[in-house]
Amino acid sequence: AQSVAQPEDQVNVAEGNPLTVKCTYSVSGNPYLFWYVQYPNRGLQFLLKYITGDNLVKGSYGFEAEFNKSQTSFHLKKPSALVSDSALYFCAVRSRGSARQLTFGSGTQLTVLP
Amino acid sequence: IAGITQAPTSQILAAGRRMTLRCTQDMRHNAMYWYRQDLGLGLRLIHYSNTAGTTGKGEVPDGYSVSRANTDDFPLTLASAVPSQTSVYFCASSDSGQNTEAFFGQGTRLTVV
Repeated sequence: AQSVAQPEDQVNVAEGNPLTVKCTYSVSGNPYLFWYVQYPNRGLQFLLKYITGDNLVKGSYGFEAEFNKSQTSFHLKKPSALVSDSALYFCAVRSRGSARQLTFGSGTQLTVLP
Repeated sequence: IAGITQAPTSQILAAGRRMTLRCTQDMRHNAMYWYRQDLGLGLRLIHYSNTAGTTGKGEVPDGYSVSRANTDDFPLTLASAVPSQTSVYFCASSDSGQNTEAFFGQGTRLTVV
């Protein structure tokens, strides 16, 4: 079985400061990892994914994520937060088996304070 | 604009009633999914379909059924709604490769009273 943990329900950061949203995963074998963002009353939007290769993945809106196999983590980062980054962020994992289903974490509400 | 369309956007439903949530995609994706989103629980998979004509059970399938008669449509049916099925429901689709991201619809907010 595959699972994702997002240990922080809420992250607050000041505008202009770096932000980190944490994610750890559990899966058999090597994972595919994804980050999504959800704005109020909207569906999920894809931000970035890790497939293989470089452990630092760059995505939309200046976000990046670092894959760490030994710590089974895939933390989302941004060097300088914007108020408009305030949203609900989800980490997701898919195993490299026959199943295509994504398993999501419980989500982290990011609030960027002006 | 290509994407996923869900209908209705929101619905208040009496307990015991039957309801079908509609989902249509125009991206010709093979795989489609239904998730429910509940506060503090994230998104949980209800049912999925890897290709037209096949379906599978996800994490929370009880009380729900799906069909996949063609590539584009993936309706979700609640045979007899209960209050615990109050939730926001998201349909999603993805291409065949396992490393491909899923695309989501805007969601259906369902309240069972």
